[in-house]
Amino acid sequence: QQQVKQSPQSLIVQKGGISIINCAYENTAFDYFPWYQQFPGKGPALLIAIRPDVSEKKEGRFTISFNKSAKQFSLHIMDSQPGDSATYFCAASRQAAGNKLTFGGGTRVLVKP
Amino acid sequence: NAGVTQTPKFRVLKTGQSMTLLCAQDMNHEYMYWYRQDPGMGLRLIHYSVGEGTTAKGEVPDGYNVSRLKKQNFLLGLESAAPSQTSVYFCASNYQGPQHFGPGTRLLVL
Repeated sequence: QQQVKQSPQSLIVQKGGISIINCAYENTAFDYFPWYQQFPGKGPALLIAIRPDVSEKKEGRFTISFNKSAKQFSLHIMDSQPGDSATYFCAASRQAAGNKLTFGGGTRVLVKP
Repeated sequence: NAGVTQTPKFRVLKTGQSMTLLCAQDMNHEYMYWYRQDPGMGLRLIHYSVGEGTTAKGEVPDGYNVSRLKKQNFLLGLESAAPSQTSVYFCASNYQGPQHFGPGTRLLVL
């Protein structure tokens, strides 16, 4: 049973466009929601994270939107660039449970020049 | 700082063979984790450790064992490899901040 569901599995966006990735979770005890970016042949790297006490967090071109009542959160990549082409994973964890991350299935993003 | 390193980078095993994957971190992190990554399934936690000498099971622990004899090292063992264990394995570490991941070990079991 996958506790964090991520969609879409892949998406193609033109340079300058907006990429949107959605995640839904089941466990209401989750209290930390990071997004990881992974390039081919590399390990995942933290991109941006949010806690449930805020509804939105923005860092540069990357924004997380969080809807606690719907148990959903999303990543928006504004002004997408070819260098953003990567696989993106959402995740969730409970800090009281030792920071164990539960990952979504991943979204492969391709930004066309 | 090297961060999180993993050895080896790539390995081919025959069914039934054993091997150990080594993870090392130089950030003095208390927590360490082993994940496997399979297409469409994201990363799934195999085992983790919250300190030297401690280990605990994650989501998919069957067929794997771990040891944390030193704070900086976390070993993942496969006693009798199976084709279903073909995957990319990632180690990660943290304490109070985000998890830092290693570059991965690609394992092929024939």
